Amino acid sequence: RKEVEQDPGPFNVPEGATVAFNCTYSNSASQSFFWYRQDCRKEPKLLMSVYSSGNEDGRFTAQLNRASQYISLLIRDSKLSDSATYLCAGSVDGNKLVFGAGTILRVKS
Amino acid sequence: DTAVSQTPKYLVTQMGNDKSIKCEQNLGHDTMYWYKQDSKKFLKIMFSYNNKELIINETVPNRFSPKSPDKAHLNLHINSLELGDSAVYFCASSERQGAYNEQFFGPGTRLTVL
Repeated sequence: RKEVEQDPGPFNVPEGATVAFNCTYSNSASQSFFWYRQDCRKEPKLLMSVYSSGNEDGRFTAQLNRASQYISLLIRDSKLSDSATYLCAGSVDGNKLVFGAGTILRVKS
Repeated sequence: DTAVSQTPKYLVTQMGNDKSIKCEQNLGHDTMYWYKQDSKKFLKIMFSYNNKELIINETVPNRFSPKSPDKAHLNLHINSLELGDSAVYFCASSERQGAYNEQFFGPGTRLTVL
């Protein structure tokens, strides 16, 4: 089983829709979690950190469910500019991040 | 100003050659990383340095040798290139050691081995 797994998608949604991605992790000792956004042929950029209490930034909400070992990303009121690949990442030990393969989101007008 | 820069952006070379990729960060960060992203888009850590000291060395063929002349630079030298080395290599940096720190990525070097 991979350490961090994501549904590769693609998720095709209309503008204005709400979309949610989940990401499961296998190591129950993982402490830090993140969502990164990667545009086509570009570098990953941090979207948000994921805290135990959840984290909201505008239209984006990230949550952590330790009991079921998954993190989620909710995007409300999707924009065309949200189209990208969303990578989740979790720490395996204190120093190393393990990334999922990413979930492709396509927002269409 | 580019925070994390890499050169070259594209690298096309023949099997068996030796090549280097350079990375520089002007953020004043202590920790730098090399990642490999293959055709299936998996982003996998290869190496990490903290203040010029190697702290992460994943299961990478010893044809790959990182070098950090100072904490702002982390270079990657690859000997005897193989077809399977074709990928995008990303350099990244974080303010300090520790997976909880935000990592800033460079634009990537797209390596194609023919």
